[in-house]
Amino acid sequence: QVHLQESGPGLVKPSETLSLTCTVSGGSISNYFWSWIRQPPGKGLEWIAFIYYSASIKYNPSLMSRLAISVDTSKNQFSVKLSSVTAADTAVYYCARVPKGGPTVGYYGIDVWGQGTTVTVSS
Amino acid sequence: EIVMTQSPATLSVSPGERATLSCRASQSVSSNLAWYQQKPGQAPRLLIYAASTRATGIPARFSGSGSGTEFTLTISSLQSEDFAVYYCQHYNNWSWTFGQGTKVEIK
Repeated sequence: QVHLQESGPGLVKPSETLSLTCTVSGGSISNYFWSWIRQPPGKGLEWIAFIYYSASIKYNPSLMSRLAISVDTSKNQFSVKLSSVTAADTAVYYCARVPKGGPTVGYYGIDVWGQGTTVTVSS
Repeated sequence: EIVMTQSPATLSVSPGERATLSCRASQSVSSNLAWYQQKPGQAPRLLIYAASTRATGIPARFSGSGSGTEFTLTISSLQSEDFAVYYCQHYNNWSWTFGQGTKVEIK
């Protein structure tokens, strides 16, 4: 059974860069899209980005100027960096798996989620 | 950007009753819609994809319908474990957006 685990600092200072890594265990990182999604406290879900190897990458337009997503197949990990953070970036950050296939990305839904990691932006 | 609007914000239902949740897209999304359930302190769980297909292991009391701009998630007979927040999600090749969620609470 595939398991996703987010890791990274829980506290980031304003204007600095938030860096998170998701480690995939119990399965290969191949043949899937991988995504980051976040949830501010008490609020709904916001899609951040997805990646398939390094060939297909898409960012949320509202965040793309500050985002970078990458995948390391040798370590079965993928990562996200969000620069110039503010308090508005405080959230639970989830990594997630998206099965490849179907007529469009996400056709089979986001079928596996990490437990989420809380990131607070504060000085 | 396509905006997904869910209604109602909160739905009060007694156990054993039927719950009907709505999701409306600001423009047609065909059948590119998923539903998720989220309980406090947990990650979301996929219920429905492609508007009406139940995900693996999801009980038959959950059903999805609709296409275009109007979608519905129906829980035929609410069980205690079904009280949670439900999100719809639109997806296409290059953009995903979530609705703001409907909280299903015990009446």
